[in-house]
Amino acid sequence: AQSVTQLGSHVSVSEGALVLLRCNYSSSVPPYLFWYVQYPNQGLQLLLKYTSAATLVKGINGFEAEFKKSETSFHLTKPSAHMSDAAEYFCAVNIYTDKLIFGTGTRLQVFP
Amino acid sequence: ETGVTQSPTHLIKTRGQQVTLRCSSQSGHNTVSWYQQALGQGPQFIFQYYREEENGRGNFPPRFSGLQFPNYSSELNVNALELDDSALYLCASSSRTGTSGNEQFFGPGTRLTVL
Repeated sequence: AQSVTQLGSHVSVSEGALVLLRCNYSSSVPPYLFWYVQYPNQGLQLLLKYTSAATLVKGINGFEAEFKKSETSFHLTKPSAHMSDAAEYFCAVNIYTDKLIFGTGTRLQVFP
Repeated sequence: ETGVTQSPTHLIKTRGQQVTLRCSSQSGHNTVSWYQQALGQGPQFIFQYYREEENGRGNFPPRFSGLQFPNYSSELNVNALELDDSALYLCASSSRTGTSGNEQFFGPGTRLTVL
């Protein structure tokens, strides 16, 4: 079965610091991987997706993620955190269908 | 281009009642998926509709049912509500192209509270 594990339910960084949100997946076939962001009382917005093209994927708002097959990872990074990045982030996997399997989420706090 | 909309925004029901949630998909999209997001959890896939037919279902009981209409809008119906049904219900639309990995566009959700 396919699954996604997000390490760290809460991550806190200072404004301007590196953001690193971890995601590991389990899949017997090449997956499609996504990162979504959810602001309070809102739906999900796609940050970026990996669909077997380039392993380094650039998304919106300065985020990027690198697909590492050997580590079964798809960690999300941003070089410099901004206060507006504070939100809940979800990693998701999609295999063969348009059904998304989500991780439990990581809440990012950004301190001034 | 109009995004995905959901109604109502909030809803309060009591145990045993029935509820209908509605979703209007993004223009040009033919697929609608529904997800349940309990507090502090990631969204869980309920089911998906493609061209008015159910096309995949998650681990939810039959009292969760749905419909998709010719204009690709959709309804989620839940019968015999239980306290654990309290959650944010998210609708997502996408355009099936014959390949996987299609982006799903999410609505703002309906917050259901069961008392």
